[in-house]
Amino acid sequence: AQKITQTQPGMFVQEKEAVTLDCTYDTSDPSYGLFWYKQPSSGEMIFLIYQGSYDQQNATEGRYSLNFQKARKSANLVISASQLGDSAMYFCAKRGTGRRALTFGSGTRLQVQP
Amino acid sequence: GAGVSQSPSNKVTEKGKDVELRCDPISGHTALYWYRQRLGQGLEFLIYFQGNSAPDKSGLPSDRFSAERTGESVSTLTIQRTQQEDSAVYLCASSFGQGVGGSDNEKLFFGSGTQLSVL
Repeated sequence: AQKITQTQPGMFVQEKEAVTLDCTYDTSDPSYGLFWYKQPSSGEMIFLIYQGSYDQQNATEGRYSLNFQKARKSANLVISASQLGDSAMYFCAKRGTGRRALTFGSGTRLQVQP
Repeated sequence: GAGVSQSPSNKVTEKGKDVELRCDPISGHTALYWYRQRLGQGLEFLIYFQGNSAPDKSGLPSDRFSAERTGESVSTLTIQRTQQEDSAVYLCASSFGQGVGGSDNEKLFFGSGTQLSVL
């Protein structure tokens, strides 16, 4: 079964500090992709970052980086220099071999405090 | 179009009525997905289209739910005899669907969703 676990229902971070959002997953797939999406209060889903299971390096996109530890089946999102606009729900998701649909975790609500 | 378009943005219906939700994907995207998001929860997969066929409809919760896609473009999600537990935001997403590694081919682009309220 494809299960994505986000153990932090809510997180607080001070503006300008870094924060790590946890994500672990179950898989027996030989290859897979991992995604993070941001969902502000307006409701749209915004793609942040992608990591392929065979990628040699951890993915980075601006202030976002993915701490991918394949043996531990974890794909934590690191947001550096947090901004007030980063306050949102964050979802980790996975796509497995032979199945195109993404499976999403339950999300982490991040609140950035001034 | 520039993005994934969904209509209506809000739908209020009475229990037992049928509803149709529409999704217009990004031009050129062959893959289309429907998800459901209940209040305060994560996204629940419903169905995936590749072109006009649906190779994965494993997430449809009951036979009251159906979807179709025509012309490798617009998709319609139909819920028959709506129940109060159907109340949720229904999100549509599309992607290139080529399955080749690389972020741009893999990522899903989401619409703004349809907020369905069943009274």
